[in-house]
Amino acid sequence: EIVMTQSPVSLPVTPGETASLSCRSSQSLLHSNGYKYLDWYLQRPGQSPQLLIYLGSNRASGVPDRFSGSGSGTDFTLTISRVEAEDVGVYYCMQTLQTPPFTFGQGTQLEIK
Amino acid sequence: QVQLQQWGGGLLKPSETLSLTCAVYGDSFKGYFWSWIRQIPGKGLEWIGEINHTGSPNYNPSLKSRVTISIDTSKREVSLTLNSVTAADSGIYYCARPLELRFSAIYAFWGQGSQVTVSS
Repeated sequence: EIVMTQSPVSLPVTPGETASLSCRSSQSLLHSNGYKYLDWYLQRPGQSPQLLIYLGSNRASGVPDRFSGSGSGTDFTLTISRVEAEDVGVYYCMQTLQTPPFTFGQGTQLEIK
Repeated sequence: QVQLQQWGGGLLKPSETLSLTCAVYGDSFKGYFWSWIRQIPGKGLEWIGEINHTGSPNYNPSLKSRVTISIDTSKREVSLTLNSVTAADSGIYYCARPLELRFSAIYAFWGQGSQVTVSS
């Protein structure tokens, strides 16, 4: 099983600043087809998770370009530019390279200062 | 646009069986993988398993002995059964569908979630 580790656990951010969230996998998520099988989700309070970024760096439909994903085979970053109040919630990374099972990180709680 | 509508769950006693159903409206049903994911308080998100349109399931090894995922293509429904529940199974359960046919994960569509509480 691939273990996903996210940091920090909690991230207080001032509106308008940039937030960087980290996700590390216990094995490389780089497939031989060149894709990195790492996705990012946001779960706002009381809501179902929402897909933000897939295959490492592709923004899902409707996601603002303030959100961007990057990373190598085992180290990934979600960057949120110009943080807004609506960005509050828990951010999860998930690996979809190897199953069973697909695995999630434990989450990073983004808070507004 | 696809919509996933869930029902079932609620309050269960230890050792009882959890049953959830997810109905799919809108977009195509056939050809996709359909998954169940749960959120346990204090433990984040956990992938339970998936089933493809031919009815072939794939389960999380940690739950494999207790879980069954089934599909009814004619009703456009996917179901989850979890046997012998304990308090550790309490949480919110979601059904989900991938972004595209070519993916088995990358969950772009989620149900509204079903609260499950196991207590004597």
